[in-house]
Parts: sequence; structure tokens; C-alpha cells
Amino acid sequence: EVQLVESGGGLVQPGGSLRLSCAASGFIFSNYDMHWVRQVPGKGLVWVSRIKTDESGARYADSVKGRFTISRDNAKNTLYLQMNSLRAEDTAVYYCVRDWRFACYDWGQGTLVTVSS
Amino acid sequence: QSALTQPASVSGSPGQSITISCTGTSSDVGGYNYVSWYQQHPGEAPKLMIYDITSRPSGVSNRFSGSKSGNTASLTISGLQAEDEADYYCTSFTSSTTWVFGGGTKLTVL
Repeated sequence: EVQLVESGGGLVQPGGSLRLSCAASGFIFSNYDMHWVRQVPGKGLVWVSRIKTDESGARYADSVKGRFTISRDNAKNTLYLQMNSLRAEDTAVYYCVRDWRFACYDWGQGTLVTVSS
Repeated sequence: QSALTQPASVSGSPGQSITISCTGTSSDVGGYNYVSWYQQHPGEAPKLMIYDITSRPSGVSNRFSGSKSGNTASLTISGLQAEDEADYYCTSFTSSTTWVFGGGTKLTVL
């Protein structure tokens, strides 16, 4: 069974940093591209970032480019999202997602990030 | 990276069919066959319902089907059931090698 378990969310002040982690199991992690998708509570889904299997080709939404960095450790079956210079508008639930044929095939349960003073 | 356009809400009675549209541009929906659809119930993570415009993951009911014409993709749900009441989102791969979601559609089963 595929499991994606996010961690690292919490309350952070504007301008601060946070690193999200996603522990993957139930599949060969190194064989799949991975995404981060976020959702402001009560609002819609927004794609954030994608990383390819070999850590190449990282792509970002314009809203986070230059502030967020996606990475992965295939030996640890873990996906990361380093978030710097956080803003109030980054407040959201962040989902870790496994890609299959350019679709968001499997989703974690999400971790809530709140940016507030 | 403008969001794809979906109707804010649709509704239908049990047993009926409904269609949700998802309109983009030639740089996303119209340019690629990588359109997918997601169902999200309150308090839950999204669930993939359709990928590659028309394909269903294992376990997804064949009451759910997808199509595309030009820059508009569509999700059709036939034989509406109470448990289909949820939010639905489309997404597409884009020419910028990014992904873009639709704004979401709330489906109400009357």
C-alpha cells in the first residue's frame, strides 16, 4: 500500500523558514517523480513544485520560485520542501504527491503551514 | 500560470448525469493529453479519478469518464449517487513544464 506521510508543518513568523518532509513507502520511491501541492483551507488546490526521479528538472510555481526548494533523498525514501522567506499567503495545507503519467496519482494527508506573527 | 476555468458549482439528482468543464489554453489543456481530474470530500485528501484525459485508475467507478475538445476538458459523472457529492478539480501539464489546477467545482447531489 502506498503511503505518503508529511511532517514539518507548524506556525512560523513572516520571513521565516520551514522544511517539510514526506516519508514514502509501499512503492519504489526512486522510480517516481514527486510533487508538492498546497491548499488554503476552504480554497482550491494549487500546484507548487515537481522534482524528477534523479533530482533533476525541479520546477516551481511562479508564486514560490526563488523562495522554495524541492529535493529528495532516494536512499531515505524522503521528499523535502525547503520554504524560505515565508509570507502570510503561503499559509496552507501542503500535500506530498506521487506522479504517474503527469497526474497526481497518490496523495498524503497533508501538513498545515501557518505563517503569522 | 493562470488557473484553469471551472464552473463554481453544478448539481444533479440521483441517477442523472452531470458534466464539469475545465477550460484552459493551447499552452495547457489544448496542447497536451495530460489532463487529470480529482475528487475531494471535506476534510480528506484529493483522489485521482481520471488521468490522460480519459483513463481511470484501478478502483474508480466507470460512472466517471473524461473527454477533451480543443482547449476544454470535461468530466462526466453518470448515474449520480449521494457519495459523489464533493469538490472536483482538473489539472493539466503546461508548456512551461509546470502544472496548473482549475479553481474547483462543488458538486451537489439534490
